[in-house]
Amino acid sequence: GGIITQTPKFLIGQEGQKLTLKCQQNFNHDTMYWYRQDSGKGLRLIYYSITENDLQKGDLSEGYDASREKKSSFSLTVTSAQKNEMAVFLCASSILDINERLFFGHGTKLSVL
Amino acid sequence: GEQVEQLPSILRVQEGSSASINCSYEDSASNYFPWYKQEPGENPKLIIDIRSNMERKQIQELIVLLDKKAKRFSLHITDTQPGDSAMYFCAASPNTNKVVFGTGTRLQVLP
Repeated sequence: GGIITQTPKFLIGQEGQKLTLKCQQNFNHDTMYWYRQDSGKGLRLIYYSITENDLQKGDLSEGYDASREKKSSFSLTVTSAQKNEMAVFLCASSILDINERLFFGHGTKLSVL
Repeated sequence: GEQVEQLPSILRVQEGSSASINCSYEDSASNYFPWYKQEPGENPKLIIDIRSNMERKQIQELIVLLDKKAKRFSLHITDTQPGDSAMYFCAASPNTNKVVFGTGTRLQVLP
């Protein structure tokens, strides 16, 4: 079996700071995703990528950048952290196919002071 | 784009009874409907899914129903146990790599 590793597990930032979250998978999956999880709002798609160097915007892409440097890694950048922001960012991957299950990492919990 | 509504947001049931979670979607092109379970401090994990060529699927105590005409699908957990207490997310996927999630249901199984 494979694994998705997200780093860091906890991230504390300052208002206005640029913050980068990293995700690695060894499933050899083609597609990778970044979701934001907020209480009461479910999982909202920020960016996804169907192959190396590809980038597709989700519904919540404003305020974020992403980069698929290689097949196994997908990073997310918060371009300017908002004061009192608190959320969990979940990375996921799936096989490039129509409708396949997602495998999730354990998340990065962001707190902005 | 696709939108998925999920109700209820909180569901409390007595141990041994059934629990039902309902979802609706907007995009008639959606053809894959997975359900994920997220336990406290854990990542979401797929527990059951259904594709648009089916109306009903059962895995042990989990039953999913799909009504394509009404654009509704539902999860039913029969004989609930304390281990079923968790967050549950439905999702819908149109004919792309995009997966759109509902807002989640917190299920509490009371002893």
